[in-house]
Amino acid sequence: KAGVTQTPRYLIKTRGQQVTLSCSPISGHRSVSWYQQTPGQGLQFLFEYFSETQRNKGNFPGRFSGRQFSNSRSEMNVSTLELGDSALYLCASSLWTGGGETQYFGPGTRLLVL
Amino acid sequence: AQRVTQPEKLLSVFKGAPVELKCNYSYSGSPELFWYVQYSRQRLQLLLRHISRESIKGFTADLNKGETSFHLKKPFAQEEDSAMYYCALFEPSGGSYIPTFGRGTSLIVHP
Repeated sequence: KAGVTQTPRYLIKTRGQQVTLSCSPISGHRSVSWYQQTPGQGLQFLFEYFSETQRNKGNFPGRFSGRQFSNSRSEMNVSTLELGDSALYLCASSLWTGGGETQYFGPGTRLLVL
Repeated sequence: AQRVTQPEKLLSVFKGAPVELKCNYSYSGSPELFWYVQYSRQRLQLLLRHISRESIKGFTADLNKGETSFHLKKPFAQEEDSAMYYCALFEPSGGSYIPTFGRGTSLIVHP
């Protein structure tokens, strides 16, 4: 099976803009989780979607949002970008629960905010 | 409050030496604990989970609820073990989980 794919792989934006990142899970996986990884804060959980519903979210401002489509593909959106949003954004899929089972990570999207 | 602590940012050993990567957690319930690993230029991937109690690539990890620890051990390190290791706690919430990852420990195994 093909692994988790994320697009785009690299992105440069300026402050105040918005950005949309995409994640395609492994075929058959219904849960998609998003993470932000930075040198200062490490790997932090953003939110998790299952069957088009957000089941859990981390401690991030409302500028960070996401959605999941009926084919389990997911997008996350960051509005009004700030310099501190520069990070590697990882998505992970799993078969069912999004947590208790193995999560399969994508390669990430590296976002640079200027 | 930090729920997963990996006290060492860097651990440097020689090939054949024992390795122990420490992980302490803060959680009052029954935790779901994992070790994830990221090799150079590869994706983050699962190494092992406490519930399976298996050995992967010679690594084992025992959950010690009394000490709230989940240390990763290997008796004889190999150069190919050099990687970034993350301990993760998955806390049950709303029919799913909220994951918390430690900051990671970079393991370097010298020849």
